[in-house]
Formats: sequence, structure tokens, C-alpha cells
Amino acid sequence: QKEVEQNSGPLSVPEGAIASLNCTYSDRVSQSFFWYRQYSGKSPELIMSIYSNGDKEDGRFTAQLNKASQYVSLLIRDSQPSDSATYLCAFYNAGNMLTFGGGTRLMVKP
Amino acid sequence: DTEVTQTPKHLVMGMTNKKSLKCEQHMGHRAMYWYKQKAKKPPELMFVYSYEKLSINESVPSRFSPECPNSSLLNLHLHALQPEDSALYLCASSQVGRGSSYEQYFGPGTRLTVT
Repeated sequence: QKEVEQNSGPLSVPEGAIASLNCTYSDRVSQSFFWYRQYSGKSPELIMSIYSNGDKEDGRFTAQLNKASQYVSLLIRDSQPSDSATYLCAFYNAGNMLTFGGGTRLMVKP
Repeated sequence: DTEVTQTPKHLVMGMTNKKSLKCEQHMGHRAMYWYKQKAKKPPELMFVYSYEKLSINESVPSRFSPECPNSSLLNLHLHALQPEDSALYLCASSQVGRGSSYEQYFGPGTRLTVT
């Protein structure tokens, strides 16, 4: 079983809709979870970090963490074409290394 | 300021060349990282420096040689690379603490092509 599982997509949503990106992880020790956005040909950009169960909101982004279900998600409200990118979830594993999921490609259509 | 800088942006080198990638951060972070990223794959960890000491080497071939001259600088020396080493090389930095669960910030990367 992979440490981090993400649907590779592409996830296609219309402009203005809510995009929902999901990630499951296998390491119950994990305490810190991160979402990165990566545009094609660019480096990953940190957009959200979440450390405790529940929701964390920042502008149009909401991260949700459920440690019991080993599940973390990212909601993007009012999706814009500029949100089209690959979204990587990541967490620190038991070896204290940041481990990435394979990424979900999001396409927001005007 | 969450800026990590990397030079050069692009590098083309032959298999017999020696070159170096450079990374710099001025955020006061004491952990710095090198990652390798192939197309349509997530970043793969290569090396971790914590307080200027190499703490993790993910079984990287010896043709890649990291160096951390001080707390702000990180180099990756390249020698006798193979075409399959062509990738985006990313530098990142973070704070260090108990549990080490701090956010990592990435530089723009160096696009390396080995011919």
C-alpha cells in the first residue's frame, strides 16, 4: 500500500464551482499535512497546512483533516481557470521525511 | 519572506561534465533539502541537511554530492551524470524542531538536461 494515495485525475470543474481534492494516507503517526499547488513546469507552492482534526479555511481554500479515517481534503471555492494545476498532498512519515502523493490534476473550465 | 532561490534555472551538461547547482535562503531556516522531480511524478527526496550536517541521504548515487557551506547555502555537485538524471532539481528549506513537522518552502528549481 502506498503511503499516500491521490486520484490522479484530471478533475474537471466549471468556473465558479467547488473543486474537491482528496488524499488518504497510511501512517497513523502523521501529525502534519500539507497541500501544495504545482503549475506545469514550475515548483510546488505551499498553499495550506493542517495539524489538527477539523477544517481550516484560508480565503477560497479549506483543508479538512480526519485522522481517524486517515483522510485529508482540499476544497477550492469559486474555482478559477488560474486554479488549474496539479495539487499534491504531503505529510511527514515515521522517518521524518515529507512524503508526497502522486498529485491530482485540476482543470477549471471557463 | 518565504523565498528560496536557485541557480541556474536551466542547465545542459554532457555526461563527462562537472557542474554545481546552488540554493540560498534567508528565512533563518536550519533544514535544507534537495529533491528530484521527473515529469508527472511527485518530488523525490535526495538529501536533508539539518544544522549544516547531512542527516538523510536517500541512497543517492555518488555522482550527486551535496554540500552545505553555511546555514543559508546548499550546493549540489554533479559529476558523470547519466541521461536518466535529467529532471527538475528542487531545493527546499524549513525550520527544525521537535517532531520536525514544519512547512517546507521550495525554490523555483533547476531544469537539468544531461546529453
